[in-house]
Amino acid sequence: AQSVTQLDSHVSVSEGTPVLLRCNYSSSYSPSLFWYVQHPNKGLQLLLKYTSAATLVKGINGFEAEFKKSETSFHLTKPSAHMSDAAEYFCVASERPGGSYIPTFGRGTSLIVHP
Amino acid sequence: NAGVTQTPKFQVLKTGQSMTLQCAQDMNHEYMSWYRQDPGMGLRLIHYSVGAGITDQGEVPNGYNVSRSTTEDFPLRLLSAAPSQTSVYFCASSYSRQARNEQYFGPGTRLTVT
Repeated sequence: AQSVTQLDSHVSVSEGTPVLLRCNYSSSYSPSLFWYVQHPNKGLQLLLKYTSAATLVKGINGFEAEFKKSETSFHLTKPSAHMSDAAEYFCVASERPGGSYIPTFGRGTSLIVHP
Repeated sequence: NAGVTQTPKFQVLKTGQSMTLQCAQDMNHEYMSWYRQDPGMGLRLIHYSVGAGITDQGEVPNGYNVSRSTTEDFPLRLLSAAPSQTSVYFCASSYSRQARNEQYFGPGTRLTVT
């Protein structure tokens, strides 16, 4: 069975400083991995995804993530935080063992950006 | 395209009442799903559908029913509401059942059961 662990429930940064949101996964297969962002009182929006092509994935709004199979990690980074980045971020793993398709969500990381 | 739409945005129910949360998508997506979001729990899958006429249970299906009579619509029925079903509900759709496809989410329905 797959599982997703987001290592920090809250991350606080100052505007203009780098962002690192950590995600580890466990899977018996080669999963597809996603990062979604949720702004307050909104639905989730895709930031980026990894599907067994390039291990460094670039997404929207300057975010990127690197798939490291040896570390079973898929950390999300951004060189310089903006106030508008303040939101909840979810790491998601998807696999299809036996034909089923059940994505597994991490519990989320709340990104706080200080002026 | 409107994308994924959900109605209502907010709902208050009394324990024991039933209701249907509506979800529709206009992207001709094959795969649709319902999640509930609770504080500190992430999103948990309730039910999903890989096409019209085909539904299956997710992680937390008890107390909920679904049907998929058309490609566009995927309603979620609460049979007898309980306070434990107080949550924010999200509907999502995806082009196909393949794991590599991203999901498109609706804006959510905030449900309170008293």
